Amino acid sequence: EPEVTQTPSHQVTQMGQEVILHCVPISNHLYFYWYRQILGQKVEFLVSFYNNEISEKSEIFDDQFSVERPDGSNFTLKIRSTKLEDSAMYFCASAGTGARTGELFFGEGSRLTVL
Amino acid sequence: RKEVEQDPGPFNVPEGATVAFNCTYSNSASQSFFWYRQDCRKEPKLLMSVYSSGNEDGRFTAQLNRASQYISLLIRDSKLSDSATYLCVVTPGSARQLTFGSGTQLTVLP
Repeated sequence: EPEVTQTPSHQVTQMGQEVILHCVPISNHLYFYWYRQILGQKVEFLVSFYNNEISEKSEIFDDQFSVERPDGSNFTLKIRSTKLEDSAMYFCASAGTGARTGELFFGEGSRLTVL
Repeated sequence: RKEVEQDPGPFNVPEGATVAFNCTYSNSASQSFFWYRQDCRKEPKLLMSVYSSGNEDGRFTAQLNRASQYISLLIRDSKLSDSATYLCVVTPGSARQLTFGSGTQLTVLP
């Protein structure tokens, strides 16, 4: 069964450092997303990406965040200067055009710990 | 008011029990509705879509009441493997982004 893969599974970084989280969405999907979940809290939308550009973003997705699709398979989330409050599980997700809106496939997540 | 509200639980039920979860949403323009399931420290996984006419998938039944902005999930004949957090999810308007509730935790006891 095709799946969304994310790396690294866990990253520990110092406050102020840059972090890049990597995702390989399902190959024939065209919609890509990043969500985050702070421990014990709900899953929160960060950004959606379609046709090589950001289609929607939340208030959380400020200038410290950026996304890129550097080639035909990878989808990355960059945090330029990490803060303590960026510590969370970051989930990548993808969806195909045939899927009902909201039917997303999530990766297993990348846990980011900022010290 | 929260966009998507759920009773956090926890619900602790014996195997074989029937359990129901409720959810309300605040945005009347919401168009699509889902239940996702999340196991501890894992990713959310789609359990089922929710349609206005109600829909059933095996032991799971979902209902939507647009007038009351209310969604429900019924699990019959609970199994140990049903233990998880159940997330009520809506999409605001035509956007594809998901708005998650905080989840309802279910533990099915032997």
